[in-house]
Amino acid sequence: DARVTQTPRHKVTEMGQEVTMRCQPILGHNTVFWYRQTMMQGLELLAYFRNRAPLDDSGMPKDRFSAEMPDATLATLKIQPSEPRDSAVYFCASGLVRGAAFFGQGTRLTVV
Amino acid sequence: DQQVKQNSPSLSVQEGRISILNCDYTNSMFDYFLWYKKYPAEGPTFLISISSIKDKNEDGRFTVFLNKSAKHLSLHIVPSQPGDSAVYFCAASDTGSTLGRLYFGRGTQLTVWP
Repeated sequence: DARVTQTPRHKVTEMGQEVTMRCQPILGHNTVFWYRQTMMQGLELLAYFRNRAPLDDSGMPKDRFSAEMPDATLATLKIQPSEPRDSAVYFCASGLVRGAAFFGQGTRLTVV
Repeated sequence: DQQVKQNSPSLSVQEGRISILNCDYTNSMFDYFLWYKKYPAEGPTFLISISSIKDKNEDGRFTVFLNKSAKHLSLHIVPSQPGDSAVYFCAASDTGSTLGRLYFGRGTQLTVWP
């Protein structure tokens, strides 16, 4: 059963701490996205990669967020330092060059 | 500025009847449209898509209609089932069928009651 796997599912952290979210895309998928869902903004794109190269990270606050793909089976999203306004559900999605994106179950982040 | 809009936050339909979910967009460069369904505590699940060269695409109980001149699309579910109760997101892309950035609406909560 091919699916996108995200860890952790839930994360509660204190303001100022570093947060790392991980994503294992579906095997063979070469396009990986990070989306964030908030009540205010809905689902918004943070960054995406094709063949591990970043294509668009315009939605990401550059001063505190970073996204990487160390290899084809792992994508990471890091926030340092975290702030209460970063509280949201973070989704990873993957796909092929054509077609739809398939989403993971998300990481619910709470920054207190 | 929201380029994809779902103006109805909720819709309630009786089981067996048709559900019609609507979506409007403002960007004339959008050329590929998708619908996703989302259950609580899960990620969005892809349902159906349509290219701007078509005006209709059907998959089982789900049909998407596209009206480019009105910048409007709709998802029809016939017949509706209680398991269809979920949040439905409309999404659009300006990269054709090449997978790229998706712009999402805020979603419509569909409730199908027995």
